[in-house]
Amino acid sequence: GAGVSQSPSNKVTEKGKDVELRCDPISGHTALYWYRQSLGQGLEFLIYFQGNSAPDKSGLPSDRFSAERTGGSVSTLTIQRTQQEDSAVYLCASSLGLAGGAAYEQYFGPGTRLTVT
Amino acid sequence: AQSVAQPEDQVNVAEGNPLTVKCTYSVSGNPYLFWYVQYPNRGLQFLLKYITGDNLVKGSYGFEAEFNKSQTSFHLKKPSALVSDSALYFCAVRDRGGYSTLTFGKGTMLLVSP
Repeated sequence: GAGVSQSPSNKVTEKGKDVELRCDPISGHTALYWYRQSLGQGLEFLIYFQGNSAPDKSGLPSDRFSAERTGGSVSTLTIQRTQQEDSAVYLCASSLGLAGGAAYEQYFGPGTRLTVT
Repeated sequence: AQSVAQPEDQVNVAEGNPLTVKCTYSVSGNPYLFWYVQYPNRGLQFLLKYITGDNLVKGSYGFEAEFNKSQTSFHLKKPSALVSDSALYFCAVRDRGGYSTLTFGKGTMLLVSP
């Protein structure tokens, strides 16, 4: 079946512009996660959704970052007034769920490489 | 709070030799533990996980990992490395209580030479 898809695969934007990154999770996966991967920094957790709700937004770096999920499916990560330090690969993942301590593995998309010039 | 340490930025091994990629963790309760692999310009792929039961977990591509509660470790192993195993490997932990999300280590680059 189809995996997690993300678009665009690459995005180059000028400092100060807004960008939107899209994630299509695996059908039926109720949990959706956003991470940021910078060179040599590992994976930085940004936000997760259970259904359309975001119980944990603790990883969002600043108020320039926001995310939403509609219909329990597609999610959009928006970065306003981009800065050069926002340059990174943004990864989305989905899983069957998080509730009750279930140890479901996450399935990752290929990522969006964002470059802010 | 939960955390993961991967003490080696890079591991070098010759093809055919056994490999070990180290991981230690810290959680307040009992852990779920995961290994993921990332090939160049690709997303992360799930390798294996420890939930409960047998401390030796077998996963994809001939990899296995051993859960050691007393040492809070979950080292990834393979008896005979392949050049195609060269990739970035991430260990991750989640406290099995509540709604905590996965915490990843910084990753270990595995380089297998012919």
